[in-house]
Amino acid sequence: DAKTTQPNSMESNEEEPVHLPCNHSTISGTDYIHWYRQLPSQGPEYVIHGLTSNVNNRMASLAIAEDRKSSTLILHRATLRDAAVYYCILRARGGGYNKLIFGAGTRLAVHP
Amino acid sequence: DARVTQTPRHKVTEMGQEVTMRCQPILGHNTVFWYRQTMMQGLELLAYFRNRAPLDDSGMPKDRFSAEMPDATLATLKIQPSEPRDSAVYFCASGLVTGTGANSYNSPLHFGNGTRLTVT
Repeated sequence: DAKTTQPNSMESNEEEPVHLPCNHSTISGTDYIHWYRQLPSQGPEYVIHGLTSNVNNRMASLAIAEDRKSSTLILHRATLRDAAVYYCILRARGGGYNKLIFGAGTRLAVHP
Repeated sequence: DARVTQTPRHKVTEMGQEVTMRCQPILGHNTVFWYRQTMMQGLELLAYFRNRAPLDDSGMPKDRFSAEMPDATLATLKIQPSEPRDSAVYFCASGLVTGTGANSYNSPLHFGNGTRLTVT
């Protein structure tokens, strides 16, 4: 499975934008970039995913580099509820069984 | 919102006892994953089911762990006998796979809130 690299931790202030980086230099052409987050005492929850183009949804935006070797999850206005561990994961497109392999993720702290 | 339901939320047991964890996937989902999370190892994939058939259980210790799907609404993970090193949070997730081969589509996974297992 292709590997992703994320900073161990990041901090933000409430109401400010947060940019969470992810490097995936060995990504293949059939890999989707997925982001999940895990709030304290909960299971992981899906945030967003993309292939080549930037993506927006109600939770966040995903900016994907032109060479696809890196991506950035953008939280436009951080709230205290966004404090969580954020996981960047590569998941193959098609081919049937496409497991999600979680790394260590980035622990985001949000300060009031 | 539809949710994956896991029971029990907490389980404390003594070494050597049998433990059964249950998961109700989201109605209509045809894939089920079992993960284990510890501070040291993070989230580890234990097993994967599609249409109730086990397709991958390579992450699971075979001598004491077993996973089954008696029907489409129930997945179970059993540990017998349990050991202190099995103490962890066990998560179940479900998703939907449609299509075949290169044209298949895997939906995002929905996770339950886990079963926190403590083996003393």
